[in-house]
Amino acid sequence: GDSVTQMEGPVTLSEEAFLTINCTYTATGYPSLFWYVQYPGEGLQLLLKATKADDKGSNKGFEATYRKETTSFHLEKGSVQVSDSAVYFCALSDSGSARQLTFGSGTQLTVLP
Amino acid sequence: SQTIHQWPATLVQPVGSPLSLECTVEGTSNPNLYWYRQAAGRGLQLLFYSVGIGQISSEVPQNLSASRPQDRQFILSSKKLLLSDSGFYLCACRGGLAETQYFGPGTRLLVL
Repeated sequence: GDSVTQMEGPVTLSEEAFLTINCTYTATGYPSLFWYVQYPGEGLQLLLKATKADDKGSNKGFEATYRKETTSFHLEKGSVQVSDSAVYFCALSDSGSARQLTFGSGTQLTVLP
Repeated sequence: SQTIHQWPATLVQPVGSPLSLECTVEGTSNPNLYWYRQAAGRGLQLLFYSVGIGQISSEVPQNLSASRPQDRQFILSSKKLLLSDSGFYLCACRGGLAETQYFGPGTRLLVL
């Protein structure tokens, strides 16, 4: 079945540091890929998505490129802020009618001032 | 755009008691609806999804059940809670042919 493998956390960075959170996937067909963010005590918010190979999703300074050849969708940000501290989830959506999401285990990011 | 409401926000229940969590959606018709559970410090597990009124698919065998009595209402229930039912329950919605699921604010359940 489909699966998502996400970089283990927690990750602690200083403000303005460069961020990479690795995500690789296994899926049949052509899944859509997502990054969601969860702030403390809250639900999940969509951060960005990509629906086909070589698409780049971007939002709030975060970027991720759908790499079919390496089955990856790594999340990057050039300069993190304290407000970026949260848990980040990589996910894929299958191509079936239900469009079920398969999530990675999440990566806790803490940004220190 | 769609808005997802969940209540209650927090719930503390004794083992063996019943459970009813409600999710309602605004701003879309005939959505696909999902219930996920997030155990402490872990990822999300899909519990149920529904493509229409009265249509429920279960992803894992468990102590819980789901119902969809109205187009934009999704209910998660249990007759007798277990300690292992503790967690953060998230309702999600996907409209029509859209790719993206949007999540509600969640219900934090603690079973003692």
